[in-house]
Amino acid sequence: DAGVIQSPRHEVTEMGQEVTLRCKPISGHDYLFWYRQTMMRGLELLIYFNNNVPIDDSGMPEDRFSAKMPNASFSTLKIQPSEPRDSAVYFCASSFTTSGGYYEQYFGPGTRLTVT
Amino acid sequence: DQQVKQNSPSLSVQEGRISILNCDYTNSMFDYFLWYKKYPAEGPTFLISISSIKDKNEDGRFTVFLNKSAKHLSLHIVPSQPGDSAVYFCAARYFGNEKLTFGTGTRLTIIP
Repeated sequence: DAGVIQSPRHEVTEMGQEVTLRCKPISGHDYLFWYRQTMMRGLELLIYFNNNVPIDDSGMPEDRFSAKMPNASFSTLKIQPSEPRDSAVYFCASSFTTSGGYYEQYFGPGTRLTVT
Repeated sequence: DQQVKQNSPSLSVQEGRISILNCDYTNSMFDYFLWYKKYPAEGPTFLISISSIKDKNEDGRFTVFLNKSAKHLSLHIVPSQPGDSAVYFCAARYFGNEKLTFGTGTRLTIIP
């Protein structure tokens, strides 16, 4: 299995531009998570989906952030307009439900976003 | 409010010795705990986990201990190897909630 795939790996953009980050979860996984890692706040959950449906978006910082999951194999995180404080590493992770209800999340390599 | 805390930002240990990484939590609803390891420019990878019905779980050189009364868990690595140098994150969740709450991480350096 290829694992969780994220693209691009690095993104440099100017303030005000739209940024789209992409994620392909592991096949068969029914949960998908978007995280952001910064020095100040560590690793924080932004939003997660179950069976392509957004379940909890309480971690999304502002209306400038939006996420979609049109099908089981693809998700996007969009920032519009982007600001310098959005600079961070964004991770996508996926997992599957087990009968016992306990599981681990598998992370992608991350997208390093720099907004100038 | 930091519900999962890793108070040591860094730790250096001699190769072959024991590494002990600590984690404290405040939410008594947490019932499942995980440790992740992260190398630079890579995503976190799952290392080991423990359910609140246990107080110890072992996997090779890695052992996690859970003290529920103290709301404390620790990861022991014996013996430590140079490839163990990484950032280690503690995470927690509770049944019925799919969210993982992460600590801020501890950077472990193994000295050859």
